[in-house]
Amino acid sequence: AQKVTQAQTEISVVEKEDVTLDCVYETRDTTYYLFWYKQPPSGELVFLIRRNSFDEQNEISGRYSWNFQKSTSSFNFTITASQVVDSAVYFCALSEAADYKLSFGAGTTVTVRA
Amino acid sequence: GAVVSQHPSWVICKSGTSVKIECRSLDFQATTMFWYRQFPKQSLMLMATSNEGSKATYEQGVEKDKFLINHASLTLSTLTVTSAHPEDSSFYICSARDSNIGNQPQHFGDGTRLSIL
Repeated sequence: AQKVTQAQTEISVVEKEDVTLDCVYETRDTTYYLFWYKQPPSGELVFLIRRNSFDEQNEISGRYSWNFQKSTSSFNFTITASQVVDSAVYFCALSEAADYKLSFGAGTTVTVRA
Repeated sequence: GAVVSQHPSWVICKSGTSVKIECRSLDFQATTMFWYRQFPKQSLMLMATSNEGSKATYEQGVEKDKFLINHASLTLSTLTVTSAHPEDSSFYICSARDSNIGNQPQHFGDGTRLSIL
């Protein structure tokens, strides 16, 4: 069985601060995918990134960056210079290649104050 | 890009009513679609995998007779909540994978907020 843990329930920061969201996963498969999604108050899920288990390269996209470390089974997400529009719930998720079902973490609520 | 349309966005109805939610892939074919449920301030939980032309596969603890899934075409899956009760009030969201492209992530609909009075 696969499992995703997001230990941080809520994070509150002031605008322009950096925010790092932790994600730890468990899986027995060697081929799997890791995801981050953003869910604003309106409810829709916004896809941010997908990483496969064979690609440990870190990635940067604008103010977003991701650190994937298989040795610690972690896939952390950093928002640099946070903005009020970044306020949302962020979910880390895992799927195994065999069935593509997504297992979501509990989510981290990020509140960015002006 | 790929778009998944989910309808309706909101439903408010009386207890005992059956409610149908549609999930359509607008510009791609999807042999597999997924239905998730999210209670307030909780995470998304997979309810079932919808398979075109065959029976859906339900996750443990999800009543198949309560949540009827039909996937009759490559672009449409429906979830019917039968005889809905207040405890079924939740946010239901579907996703779909493009059958013609391997290794692609799921595309999510915008979700349906169901409120049973």
